[in-house]
Amino acid sequence: DAGVTQSPTHLIKTRGQQVTLRCSPKSGHDTVSWYQQALGQGPQFIFQYYEEEERQRGNFPDRFSGHQFPNYSSELNVNALLLGDSALYLCASSLKGDWGIQYFGAGTRLSVL
Amino acid sequence: QKEVEQNSGPLSVPEGAIASLNCTYSDRGSQSFFWYRQYSGKSPELIMSIYSNGDKEDGRFTAQLNKASQYVSLLIRDSQPSDSATYLCAVTSGGSYIPTFGRGTSLIVHP
Repeated sequence: DAGVTQSPTHLIKTRGQQVTLRCSPKSGHDTVSWYQQALGQGPQFIFQYYEEEERQRGNFPDRFSGHQFPNYSSELNVNALLLGDSALYLCASSLKGDWGIQYFGAGTRLSVL
Repeated sequence: QKEVEQNSGPLSVPEGAIASLNCTYSDRGSQSFFWYRQYSGKSPELIMSIYSNGDKEDGRFTAQLNKASQYVSLLIRDSQPSDSATYLCAVTSGGSYIPTFGRGTSLIVHP
């Protein structure tokens, strides 16, 4: 049973660039959420996708956008990167009706120089 | 703003002792409560969920919920060095069912 997979594992970008992160949910799951985790902090909710629509959004600027595909996989896009965007980006999958229980991928470590 | 508060620690306990981790939350309407464990450099993994007042036991882990006092705790009995990790408390409220995470408590179990 494949768990949540994310790519790439590490990424180095410079300020102003754009980045795309990818996520495949756990088999059978239909919902994907994205989190940003800074060092020493808990995961901060970015947004959640269900049925290819953004269902809920956290307190992040419009530079953060996403997409969910018909096979439930998802992308997170960040435009105009800032130094403060350096963090671990976590994808989590869940099932409708049980959204509180999140299964996390290994994450993508983004460094912005 | 919904807040979940945890002492960042580190909490240091000897092997075989009981580790007690605490979490408070601000939204009185919170419905579901979770404990995740995160090893250094790894992603969080769910270890316990609790939805009603009282205790819930799973092996060496016991989650305790007190909605009147707005706190949830996690007890780890017979702590092992392999339990050394950061423990994240997460709470859902309202109709969104999106968990809000605390910053986590670092637990160190020393031999």
